[in-house]
Amino acid sequence: AQKITQTQPGMFVQEKEAVTLDCTYDTSDPSYGLFWYKQPSSGEMIFLIYQGSYDQQNATEGRYSLNFQKARKSANLVISASQLGDSAMYFCAMRGLNKLVFGAGTILRVKS
Amino acid sequence: DTAVSQTPKYLVTQMGNDKSIKCEQNLGHDTMYWYKQDSKKFLKIMFSYNNKELIINETVPNRFSPKSPDKAHLNLHINSLELGDSAVYFCASSQLGTSRQETQYFGPGTRLLVL
Repeated sequence: AQKITQTQPGMFVQEKEAVTLDCTYDTSDPSYGLFWYKQPSSGEMIFLIYQGSYDQQNATEGRYSLNFQKARKSANLVISASQLGDSAMYFCAMRGLNKLVFGAGTILRVKS
Repeated sequence: DTAVSQTPKYLVTQMGNDKSIKCEQNLGHDTMYWYKQDSKKFLKIMFSYNNKELIINETVPNRFSPKSPDKAHLNLHINSLELGDSAVYFCASSQLGTSRQETQYFGPGTRLLVL
């Protein structure tokens, strides 16, 4: 069974600084996918970034990058140059058998 | 041109009532899902359909009955609503395959409040 752990319930970051949101996972599958989603206060779930277990390079999407350390089973999200609009709940998820398994989420607050 | 849409967005109802939530996707995906987000924001899969066939039923009470009339639609009917059913229900869709193809795109959510 897959498991996702997000140990930071809440984080603060100063506007324009970078922030790392932690995610560790557990799976016995050799092939898996890791995802990050953003949920702003308006409630929708927004896909941010994907990392495949066999991808050679860390994924990047604009200001988002994924620090994938396979041996440590971690897939941390790095947001560079934080903006006020980045304040939201962030979920790490793993592709299980025909479903996503989510972590508990991290609330990020960007301070001006 | 909404990719995944859900109706209604808000649903307030009395205990014991029956209600339905509708979901439609125009992404051409072959797989659709229902997730429940509880008051602590925890998200959990409820059902998954691939090409109109049920492939996941995650120990959900049988008061919940999903129906997929076609690949683009997945509805959720809930009988005899209970207080504990209050939550946000998300519909999502993806294309079964490998790697990034399986990215799931979510609808806006339906906020259900049972009084």
